[in-house]
Amino acid sequence: SQQGEEDPQALSIQEGENATMNCSYKTSINNLQWYRQNSGRGLVHLILIRSNEREKHSGRLRVTLDTSKKSSSLLITASRAADTASYFCATYPAGKSTFGDGTTLTVKP
Amino acid sequence: DVKVTQSSRYLVKRTGEKVFLECVQDMDHENMFWYRQDPGLGLRLIYFSYDVKMKEKGDIPEGYSVSREKKERFSLILESASTNQTSMYLCASSLGETQYFGPGTRLLVL
Repeated sequence: SQQGEEDPQALSIQEGENATMNCSYKTSINNLQWYRQNSGRGLVHLILIRSNEREKHSGRLRVTLDTSKKSSSLLITASRAADTASYFCATYPAGKSTFGDGTTLTVKP
Repeated sequence: DVKVTQSSRYLVKRTGEKVFLECVQDMDHENMFWYRQDPGLGLRLIYFSYDVKMKEKGDIPEGYSVSREKKERFSLILESASTNQTSMYLCASSLGETQYFGPGTRLLVL
């Protein structure tokens, strides 16, 4: 089974709204990363949060990490049509990278 | 900027053919990875390499092999392509924890 699992599988919002997606993982981690994938393309790294951090910001992105619940969330504020993509969390248990199935976000203009 | 390139964006092969997927990175990264991505299954790690001539099996290595003769190049080989290997193949490289991905190769095996 996947180490990281995103929720929801799909999310559809209007431009300007906030989008929140969640990731749960199973084993202890040193860090957790979020990536974005535009349709038919490779993944692009968005942000990394370390296990001793609770929250991290980058532009319109806000990531939280709760190691006691083994979960993370990615918040995109003031969404734009260009944010339409799939979003993945990634962890590295035992030195191997493990990605979840992703959340597909659709932002309607 | 890190650049990871893959030899083909789209590829169509016949069952039983030997298929080579090439990946090249230009940032002198030690680590390179091959994934396949399928709907509902996410990204699954096939093989990875931490150094030249070194390889490690990922989660789904069956039916695949890899070659890393030079630091910048990591090749994925399908010894005898089968229809269940139709997929999107993604290559990535990293120096530390962040992976940099190529654009992907969409392989169709008929």
